[in-house]
Amino acid sequence: EPEVTQTPSHQVTQMGQEVILRCVPISNHLYFYWYRQILGQKVEFLVSFYNNEISEKSEIFDDQFSVERPDGSNFTLKIRSTKLEDSAMYFCASRPGLASGEQFFGPGTRLTVL
Amino acid sequence: ILNVEQSPQSLHVQEGDSTNFTCSFPSSNFYALHWYRWETAKSPEALFVMTLNGDEKKKGRISATLNTKEGYSYLYIKGSQPEDSATYLCAFTGSSNTGKLIFGQGTTLQVKP
Repeated sequence: EPEVTQTPSHQVTQMGQEVILRCVPISNHLYFYWYRQILGQKVEFLVSFYNNEISEKSEIFDDQFSVERPDGSNFTLKIRSTKLEDSAMYFCASRPGLASGEQFFGPGTRLTVL
Repeated sequence: ILNVEQSPQSLHVQEGDSTNFTCSFPSSNFYALHWYRWETAKSPEALFVMTLNGDEKKKGRISATLNTKEGYSYLYIKGSQPEDSATYLCAFTGSSNTGKLIFGQGTTLQVKP
């Protein structure tokens, strides 16, 4: 059964460093998302991506964040200069079509900023 | 600000008990309500996507109901088993056509053998 994959499973970085989190969505899906969960808090929406551009972003998704789908299969989230408060579990998700349709989630990348 | 709330936050039951959780969400601009099951170190797994008021869905021992007019959904587990132990998340999709999910805080269920 097709699944969303994410790498790495755990990333440790120093404050101020750039990180790139990688996701491979399900191949025929059209809509792509990043969410994150800070420990003890709700899963929160970061950004949605469709037709090679951002379709919606949250207030969290400031200039330090960017997303890219460079080669038609990978979907990446870049954080340019990490802060301590960026430590969280980051989830990638994809869906095939309708807004009401199921989103398929990856297992997440745990980012720890020291 | 759109807010989704789940209760209880955690639940401990004995194997064989039936249980239910609540999700409350905004009743305006409703598009869909999603239930996910999430085990540690695994991907959240979709259980149900519900769109119609009065909808009831079932998957094995798990079922869900939806009331969009008053803004709540119930998830029921009949005859809980230890393998049902997980965090159950509900998520609301509003009329935004991007389909972004707004999550509740989850209900963590532990089923003791």
